[in-house]
Amino acid sequence: GQNIDQPTEMTATEGAIVQINCTYQTSGFNGLFWYQQHAGEAPTFLSYNVLDGLEEKGRFSSFLSRSKGYSYLLLKELQMKDSASYLCAVRARSEKGGYQKVTFGTGTKLQVIP
Amino acid sequence: NAGVTQTPKFRVLKTGQSMTLLCAQDMNHEYMYWYRQDPGMGLRLIHYSVGEGTTAKGEVPDGYNVSRLKKQNFLLGLESAAPSQTSVYFCASNRGTPARTEAFFGQGTRLTVV
Repeated sequence: GQNIDQPTEMTATEGAIVQINCTYQTSGFNGLFWYQQHAGEAPTFLSYNVLDGLEEKGRFSSFLSRSKGYSYLLLKELQMKDSASYLCAVRARSEKGGYQKVTFGTGTKLQVIP
Repeated sequence: NAGVTQTPKFRVLKTGQSMTLLCAQDMNHEYMYWYRQDPGMGLRLIHYSVGEGTTAKGEVPDGYNVSRLKKQNFLLGLESAAPSQTSVYFCASNRGTPARTEAFFGQGTRLTVV
C-alpha cells in the first residue's frame, strides 16, 4: 500500500515564504502531484514531479527526492488568497500493470495572516 | 468548456433512500473517478473507470455502485443510504496516459444522510 504524510496545519505571514512537506512510502512510484483546494471548492492542479529536482512555476515550486520519499511545495511571496489546503498525491504502478493508482494525503491547511 | 460537471451540488437523504450522482466531462478523458472527502481522511477513491463500459473498485467501494455507459458520463449510485455516507463527493477525470496526467475535478456534491 501507500502511506503519505503531510502536516495538518501551517500558518505563515503575507509576503513570506512557506514550505509544505510531504513524505511517502510506496512501491512502483510513478509521480507526485500537488493540488490546491480552497474551502468548499474542488482541488485544482498545481504541480507534478516524477524526476528528482525542482520544478518552478511562478510563485510556486515543487521538489522531489525519490530516494528519500520526500517532496515539498514552496510558496513564495505569500498572498491572502493562498490560504487553502494543499494536497500531496502519489501515483504508483500496480504489480499487475494497467491502471496507475493515485493516493492522496490528508492535506495541509495553510492559513496566511496579515 | 465546462470541464467536469457534477449534479446535484447538495442533497439530503433519509437513511435507506437511494440516489444517483451524475458526473459529466467534455474533455474526452478516458479515466474517470469518484472520491469522497471527509475531515481528517483526505480524498478516498470509491470507484474508477479506465474507459467506456469499464468500472473498478477503489479503496472504499462498499455501499456504492457505478456505471460508465458513455465515455463522458460516470454515475455513482447509493442503493440504500446510510449516515456513514454523509460526505462531500468529488468526481474527477484525466487522460490516463501519458505521464503528466493531472486530474480535473468537479465542484463536488455535499450529501447528508439523516
